[in-house]
Amino acid sequence: NAGVTQTPKFQVLKTGQSMTLQCAQDMNHEYMSWYRQDPGMGLRLIHYSVGAGITDQGEVPNGYNVSRSTTEDFPLRLLSAAPSQTSVYFCASSDDRGSTYTFGSGTRLTVV
Amino acid sequence: AQSVAQPEDQVNVAEGNPLTVKCTYSVSGNPYLFWYVQYPNRGLQFLLKYITGDNLVKGSYGFEAEFNKSQTSFHLKKPSALVSDSALYFCAVRDPHYGQNFVFGPGTRLSVLP
Repeated sequence: NAGVTQTPKFQVLKTGQSMTLQCAQDMNHEYMSWYRQDPGMGLRLIHYSVGAGITDQGEVPNGYNVSRSTTEDFPLRLLSAAPSQTSVYFCASSDDRGSTYTFGSGTRLTVV
Repeated sequence: AQSVAQPEDQVNVAEGNPLTVKCTYSVSGNPYLFWYVQYPNRGLQFLLKYITGDNLVKGSYGFEAEFNKSQTSFHLKKPSALVSDSALYFCAVRDPHYGQNFVFGPGTRLSVLP
């Protein structure tokens, strides 16, 4: 099925650990983004990419890294996990007109 | 900077009654406005959008929204609510500062009571 696939669906980390959240899309979309969702705050943009090899920071980039080596994949790396990074993370993609985004089903991350 | 407000954390409505979920925005330039819905433990699903043209926009599942430029509002409406409409609703605006990505409102939880 065409769409955005995120792995893992759930993850528990200890403070200071690192990990990578995976995101892949099979729609040949140029635009990909990472958001975090926290109660009462909606979704906030972490990083985004407008094509392979091009990334930029969003509203809340601190503590996260991204790279875009292929059109299909856009992994999000947590360098040293902190309890403040406990959240639900969503990856999204759109075509280069950017009119409608397709969202993945999310990764629920808990940092203890 | 673009911003979106959803003044109600929670909206309760009886099944069969009309529903409204409110959204106001603050943007520079012409707004590109969207509504998304999130069901429990799911990602966001697109409902409708306003880019230009008619102020009344029709979307998925019988939802519609009215763009009001003078009141800077984009309220989501449905003439007759269903229990299955119960979900979390997000209003969003595109932000050219962030590569046309979305700025989301905080969300409104809609509960439709049988």
